[in-house]
This record gives sequence, structure tokens and C-alpha cells, in this order.
Amino acid sequence: ELKVEQNPLFLSMQEGKNYTIYCNYSTTSDRLYWYRQDPGKSLESLFVLLSNGAVKQEGRLMASLDTKARLSTLHITAAVHDLSATYFCAARDDKIIFGKGTRLHILP
Amino acid sequence: DAGVIQSPRHEVTEMGQEVTLRCKPISGHNSLFWYRQTMMRGLELLIYFNNNVPIDDSGMPEDRFSAKMPNASFSTLKIQPSEPRDSAVYFCASSLLGTSGYEQYFGPGTRLTVT
Repeated sequence: ELKVEQNPLFLSMQEGKNYTIYCNYSTTSDRLYWYRQDPGKSLESLFVLLSNGAVKQEGRLMASLDTKARLSTLHITAAVHDLSATYFCAARDDKIIFGKGTRLHILP
Repeated sequence: DAGVIQSPRHEVTEMGQEVTLRCKPISGHNSLFWYRQTMMRGLELLIYFNNNVPIDDSGMPEDRFSAKMPNASFSTLKIQPSEPRDSAVYFCASSLLGTSGYEQYFGPGTRLTVT
């Protein structure tokens, strides 16, 4: 059974700093997703990673995938307050399983 | 495209009442998912459909929950009778099966409160 674990679950950081959120999954998955959720809002798709070594970047966010280690990372560069949100990763075998989310709070 | 549409956006009901949540997926999408989100349990997949056919309903918590997809543009999630522990945000998402990404697009959610 596919399990997805994120860490940390909570992260408070200062603007301008860099940080990484980690997403481990337990069995083979053919794709890895990252979503963002603002408080009281729905989930917004950020990245879909399809192959080993895949790297995608959008602004200050960069996601990568290592299928051999069953690990994906979401790296935040020079954080700004607007990036405060909860970030979910999800993996897929026959259905998509979400991690518990990382609540990111960026202090101005 | 208007995106995934859910109704109602908020529902407050009394314990024992029937609740029906509605979802219209993105036109052309052929997979539809119902999720429930709570602080305690996070985001849980309840059921999903491919081409209007239920594929996996193992996440449906009890027989009180049922879901239907009578056509490609409409799905319902029904709770009968409702209980306070059913209070949560229910999301519907749709996707296009067969594309390489199989990316899910989420609706705005229905916030259900059962008193």
C-alpha cells in the first residue's frame, strides 16, 4: 500500500531564507505531484513530476524527483511572505495518495 | 473553462438529515474524485470514477455515504443520515485519464457542518 510522508509538517521561516520540504513515498509511483493550499481555499496544482531526475521550477519554487530514493523535494529560494501556505505532495500507484501537508509560515 | 464547480459552497444541517453535495467536472475530463479534508485526518480520497464508473470506493467511511455519477458532467455525494463527525470540507476534483500527467483539478469545496 502506497504511503506518502512529508516533513516537516510545520515550518516557520524568515523572508529571504532558503528551505526544502521533503516528500517520501513507500512504493513505486509513476508520478509525483505538488499542490498548494491557502487557508480556506482549494488545492492548486504546482508541479507534476513524471520521471527520475525531473526538475521543474516556477518562480521561487523548484521541485525535483528521485525515483530510486522515492523522494521528492520542494525547494524554496529567498522566501517571500506570499508563499505562506500549506504544501501537499501526492504520489500515485492505482490512485493518488496525498501526504499530510507542510504548513509554511513566512515571517516578514 | 469555469473549472470544477461544486454546490453548495456551505451547508449547515442537523444530525440525522440527508445531505447531498454536487459536482460538475471540467468539460472533457473523464475521471472524477471525491475527497474529504479535516484537521485531524487530512485529505482523504473517498471514491473516484473513471468514465462515470466507480473504480475505488474503499475510502467511503460508512454505508451512510454514497456517490453517483449518472453522466460525464455531474456527480453527487450523499450522506444519509448525517452525523456531527461528518463535518469537513468536501472537495471534488477532475482529471483527464490517459494524459501523461493525470493532473487533478480541484473544485472550491463544500464546507459541511452537522450540528
